[in-house]
Amino acid sequence: EAQVTQNPRYLITVTGKKLTVTCSQNMNHEYMSWYRQDPGLGLRQIYYSMNVEVTDKGDVPEGYKVSRKEKRNFPLILESPSPNQTSLYFCASSTRVDVAYEQYFGPGTRLTVT
Amino acid sequence: GIQVEQSPPDLILQEGANSTLRCNFSDSVNNLQWFHQNPWGQLINLFYIPSGTKQNGRLSATTVATERYSLLYISSSQTTDSGVYFCAVGRETSGSRLTFGEGTQLTVNP
Repeated sequence: EAQVTQNPRYLITVTGKKLTVTCSQNMNHEYMSWYRQDPGLGLRQIYYSMNVEVTDKGDVPEGYKVSRKEKRNFPLILESPSPNQTSLYFCASSTRVDVAYEQYFGPGTRLTVT
Repeated sequence: GIQVEQSPPDLILQEGANSTLRCNFSDSVNNLQWFHQNPWGQLINLFYIPSGTKQNGRLSATTVATERYSLLYISSSQTTDSGVYFCAVGRETSGSRLTFGEGTQLTVNP
């Protein structure tokens, strides 16, 4: 089944404890990205990747890191999480990078930082 | 950047009723998608519809790109249709980034 998977789905952590949210897609998509969703602010892009070893900042990159060492994986790293990073996070992927093409979203990761 | 406005913000229906959700956008787009966010927070792809009309069961969508709007039709609504419906658009100049509207909160009562 073609899908985007994220792990963990739910996470409660404490301020300053490094964490990684994994994202994997099995559709051989070139493009992957991370969004966060917050009440009143909607969904905003954090980082995106056009291909392996090619990443760039989205609208709200502060406090996050990403890497794209393999085509299928695009982990989101919070080196020192803070309470304002409490949010619902989505990973997305798309087959094309040269035009705006249909995107597929993972199931979401609900993160709480205390 | 491009602006996306959805209406109405909230909609309450009785089971079996029909509804139309609207999405207006401020500039030309190459991608337009409709999503349903269920009560568990998952974003479900409904339609990829940068132009034209598509149907999938009780749902259909129409995008009139030249007039910068899209409509999502839900017929014979069911309680499982409840949730938030998002319209999201993308432009070639922004790569594959999607700009989301604020959503329509739909509640279908039995």
